[in-house]
Amino acid sequence: AQSVSQHNHHVILSEAASLELGCNYSYGGTVNLFWYVQYPGQHLQLLLKYFSGDPLVKGIKGFEAEFIKSKFSFNLRKPSVQWSDTAEYFCAVNDRGNNRLAFGKGNQVVVIP
Amino acid sequence: KAGVTQTPRYLIKTRGQQVTLSCSPISGHRSVSWYQQTPGQGLQFLFEYFSETQRNKGNFPGRFSGRQFSNSRSEMNVSTLELGDSALYLCASSSVGPPDGYTFGSGTRLTVV
Repeated sequence: AQSVSQHNHHVILSEAASLELGCNYSYGGTVNLFWYVQYPGQHLQLLLKYFSGDPLVKGIKGFEAEFIKSKFSFNLRKPSVQWSDTAEYFCAVNDRGNNRLAFGKGNQVVVIP
Repeated sequence: KAGVTQTPRYLIKTRGQQVTLSCSPISGHRSVSWYQQTPGQGLQFLFEYFSETQRNKGNFPGRFSGRQFSNSRSEMNVSTLELGDSALYLCASSSVGPPDGYTFGSGTRLTVV
């Protein structure tokens, strides 16, 4: 079964600091990779996704992620965070051919103004 | 276009009762998946329906069931409710073929007392 690991569950940053959230998965096949964000009181929203091609993926709100196949990783980055980036971030994986997403436990990010 | 609609938003039930939750996917999306979100276990896959057929099932007891109608709307049912079933239940829809990500609804918050 697939598993997804996200470390540093709670992250506290000041505005303008850089953010990097790690995501590692265990699955030997070909996968689709996602980062979702859940703002306080809101539903899960897709930040970015990787299916194939350029391993550096750009998403919404200035986020990007890099797929490193050899490390089974898909880390999320943002060069300069804003207070409005306070949210919980989830990494998710599914293998090609099925729609069953495996999620990590999430990173609770708090940005201090 | 309209997003994924889940009803009701909130439910309070007592132990032993049963409950039915509804999900209307984005128009044209034929795959509907259900997830349970709790603080302790995070996001866990329940099942996925495509063209009225269950294609994938997670590791949940038989008390959890679902179905999909010809218009792609889906329902999930939980019978003989337990306190541990209290959770946010999320529905996600996706299109046929290479998914353009999975779009989540706002969820149904179920509280079992």
